[in-house]
Amino acid sequence: DIQMTQSPSSRSASVGDRVTITCRASQSIRSYLNWYQQKPGKAPKLLIYAASRLQSGVPSRFSGSGSGTDFTLTISSLQPEDFATYYCQQSYSSPALTFGGGTKVEIK
Amino acid sequence: QLQLQESGPGLVKPSETLSLTCTVSGGSISRSTDYWGWIRQPPGKGLEYIGSIYYSGTTYYNPSLKSRVTISVDTSKNQFSLKLSSVTAADTAVYYCARTRIAESWYFDVWGRGTPVTVSS
Repeated sequence: DIQMTQSPSSRSASVGDRVTITCRASQSIRSYLNWYQQKPGKAPKLLIYAASRLQSGVPSRFSGSGSGTDFTLTISSLQPEDFATYYCQQSYSSPALTFGGGTKVEIK
Repeated sequence: QLQLQESGPGLVKPSETLSLTCTVSGGSISRSTDYWGWIRQPPGKGLEYIGSIYYSGTTYYNPSLKSRVTISVDTSKNQFSLKLSSVTAADTAVYYCARTRIAESWYFDVWGRGTPVTVSS
């Protein structure tokens, strides 16, 4: 199985901060990497697919980058509604899709 | 607007079979571009992919669950279903259904609200 490791597991930040979340794959997954946002009690929401493609309707302050084993989700200016848990998900080894353990972005 | 809604028992006994249905509204389950999938999330933990199905019946399962999982589709009802056999407490989770896009990357772009399932006697 391809293991996905996210860091940090939690992050405190203030409104307006630039926040970067990292996801590392245990082997190369090319650009088969997606990012989701999940708020408490809600279903995940797709933000980024194929490493860097912004899902329709997602604010442009979200961006994704990377390929191979190292990927980054960046929020350019954190907004109050962005406090949530973020998950990466690889599909290189489909159908054995796997998610990272999540990064919780909390209010400082 | 495409919407998905999970339904099924919230409590299942150990060793029995968990059965859930996802009803798709606002669009056809038979679209050629779409697969339909199940993902689960144990309490306080991360997400686990279960499997996906195409309207023709083609299925893809997570190898770690494959021996216990069956996903089926009913195009006449615009529904797809999940069966997970021989459940244990480890199968307690919120179960989500989601549209699976298989393009540049397999991803889930429309989700149901999720339904909690507890495995307990």
